[in-house]
Amino acid sequence: AQSVTQLDSHVSVSEGTPVLLRCNYSSSYSPSLFWYVQHPNKGLQLLLKYTSAATLVKGINGFEAEFKKSETSFHLTKPSAHMSDAAEYFCVVSDPSYNTDKLIFGTGTRLQVFP
Amino acid sequence: EAQVTQNPRYLITVTGKKLTVTCSQNMNHEYMSWYRQDPGLGLRQIYYSMNVEVTDKGDVPEGYKVSRKEKRNFPLILESPSPNQTSLYFCASSLGSAVNTEAFFGQGTRLTVV
Repeated sequence: AQSVTQLDSHVSVSEGTPVLLRCNYSSSYSPSLFWYVQHPNKGLQLLLKYTSAATLVKGINGFEAEFKKSETSFHLTKPSAHMSDAAEYFCVVSDPSYNTDKLIFGTGTRLQVFP
Repeated sequence: EAQVTQNPRYLITVTGKKLTVTCSQNMNHEYMSWYRQDPGLGLRQIYYSMNVEVTDKGDVPEGYKVSRKEKRNFPLILESPSPNQTSLYFCASSLGSAVNTEAFFGQGTRLTVV
């Protein structure tokens, strides 16, 4: 069975400092992995996705994530946080071999950015 | 503008009173889904549809119904709402399976059942 674990429910950083949001996954197959962001009172927006191409994936707004199969991790990083990055972030896993539309969401990490 | 539109955004209702949350997308997407978001649980899929007249259960379908009579619309129906269905609901659509293509989400419907 597939699952995803976000290791921190809350992360606080100062503006201009690096961001690290941690995600570990469990999958019997070669998974597809995603990060989605949810700003207050908004729907979710895709930040980036990994689908077995390059292991370092670049997304929007300066975010990137590295797929590490040996560690079953897909951590999200950004070199320098901006106030507008404050939001909730979801790590998502799915199995592209199934004929389904199923995304498995983590429980989310709320990112706070202080001036 | 490409978007997924849900209505209403906020709804308070009483136990047992049937309600429908509408979802419409203007991107000609094949796939549509409904999710519920609860604190500490992330998003869980309720139902999904891969095309008109094709629907299937997600992880938490009990107490919900859906229909897909037209490509653009995918309403979520609660025949007899109960307090445990108080949640934040999201509709999503994608050109292909959300596994392989980007899913676009609506702004959410916050439902309270008293």
